[in-house]
Amino acid sequence: EVQLLESGGDLVQPGGSLRLSCAASGFTFAGQAMSWVRQAPGKGLEWVSSISGSTDSTYYADSVKGRFTISRDNSKNTLYLQMNSLRAEDTAVYYCAKGATLIDQWGQGTLVTVSS
Amino acid sequence: DVVMTQSPLSLPVTLGQPASISCRSSQSLVHSDGNTYLNWFQQRPGQSPRRLIYKVSNRDSGVPDRFSGSGSGTDFTLKISRVEAEDVGVYYCMQGTYWPRTFGQGTNLEIK
Repeated sequence: EVQLLESGGDLVQPGGSLRLSCAASGFTFAGQAMSWVRQAPGKGLEWVSSISGSTDSTYYADSVKGRFTISRDNSKNTLYLQMNSLRAEDTAVYYCAKGATLIDQWGQGTLVTVSS
Repeated sequence: DVVMTQSPLSLPVTLGQPASISCRSSQSLVHSDGNTYLNWFQQRPGQSPRRLIYKVSNRDSGVPDRFSGSGSGTDFTLKISRVEAEDVGVYYCMQGTYWPRTFGQGTNLEIK
């Protein structure tokens, strides 16, 4: 059974940093593209970033480019999202998702709140 | 960016009746590899999203056969043949053909 377990969400001040983690199990993590998708309170889904499975190519939404960095550690079956220069509009539940073209599994999400 | 436009945004449906959600993209979703990467997701209240349909019309394992997807190019539809109480939630289309990936605004299905 595929499991994606996010962690690292917290309350952080504007301008601060946070690193999210996603522990994956139940599938061959290495070689599998992965994504982060967020959902602001009461709003719809917004794709944030993806990383390829083979070449580690990375892709970002314009809203986070230059501030967020996606990475992975295949030895630990873990996906990361380093978030810097956080803004109030980054407040959301962040979901880890398996896939990038055919997203097929989602984690339970971790809440990031950016507020002073 | 490819804009995904869903309609309606609110969909009140009587139990047992059919429902249909439209998703239109601002450009063709046919990939250079010949596939059309249009996915449908369901998000029940308080839950994470769940994929129902991939590549326009392929139903995921465990998804009831009352759900079906159709369409081509820029015009896509999710249909529920007979709505059940467990179908309440928000439905999203998402394109996986172009970067950045984009979602529709969501359609809120409720029981009338």
